[in-house]
Amino acid sequence: GQNIDQPTEMTATEGAIVQINCTYQTSGFNGLFWYQQHAGEAPTFLSYNVLDGLEEKGRFSSFLSRSKGYSYLLLKELQMKDSASYLCAVRDSYSGAGSYQLTFGKGTKLSVIP
Amino acid sequence: NAGVTQTPKFRVLKTGQSMTLLCAQDMNHEYMYWYRQDPGMGLRLIHYSVGEGTTAKGEVPDGYNVSRLKKQNFLLGLESAAPSQTSVYFCASSYTAGDAKQYFGPGTRLTVT
Repeated sequence: GQNIDQPTEMTATEGAIVQINCTYQTSGFNGLFWYQQHAGEAPTFLSYNVLDGLEEKGRFSSFLSRSKGYSYLLLKELQMKDSASYLCAVRDSYSGAGSYQLTFGKGTKLSVIP
Repeated sequence: NAGVTQTPKFRVLKTGQSMTLLCAQDMNHEYMYWYRQDPGMGLRLIHYSVGEGTTAKGEVPDGYNVSRLKKQNFLLGLESAAPSQTSVYFCASSYTAGDAKQYFGPGTRLTVT
C-alpha cells in the first residue's frame, strides 16, 4: 500500500514562489505525479517524475528523491489563477490485473493573495 | 475532440435506489478508471479497466459494479445506493498502462439521502 502526506493548505502572495511538499511510504514505486484541480473542476496533469532530480516546465518544476520518499512542486511567479488544489499521486508497481494504480494524497489547497 | 465526458453532472438519489454513471472518451484510450473524491480523503480508485470487456477492482470497490462493453465507454453502477456513497465521481482514461498522464472527466456530483 501507499501512504502519502502533503500539507492541507498554503497561502502565498502573487508574484512569489511557493513550494508544496509531498512525502510518501510505498510498497512499490513507479513514478510520482502532480495534478492541479481548481474548485469544482476535474484534476489536470502537471508533471511526472520517475527518476531523481528536477523536472522543469515553464513556471512549474517538480523534484523527486526516491531514497527519501520525497517530492516537491515549485510554482514560480505566482498568479491568481494558480489558486487551486495540488494533488500528489504515486504510481504502484505493475499489478497482476494489467495496470498500474495511482494513489493520491489528500491535496494541498493553495490560495494566492494579491 | 470532447476528451472524457460524464453523464449526468448531478444526481440526487434516495437510499436503496439504483443508477448508472456513464463515462465516454473519444481518444481511443485502452485504460479507463473510476474514482471517487470526498472531502479530506483525496481521490480513491473504485474500479478500472485495461481494455474492452475487462474490469478490475481498485481500492474501494464495494457497493459498485462496472462494465466496459465498448472501448469508448465505462459504466459505473450503484445497485442499492447508500448515504456513504455521496461523493463526486470522476472518470479518467489513459492510452497505455505506462502512460504518465490520466485524462479526467468533469465529474458527477451524487447525493444519496
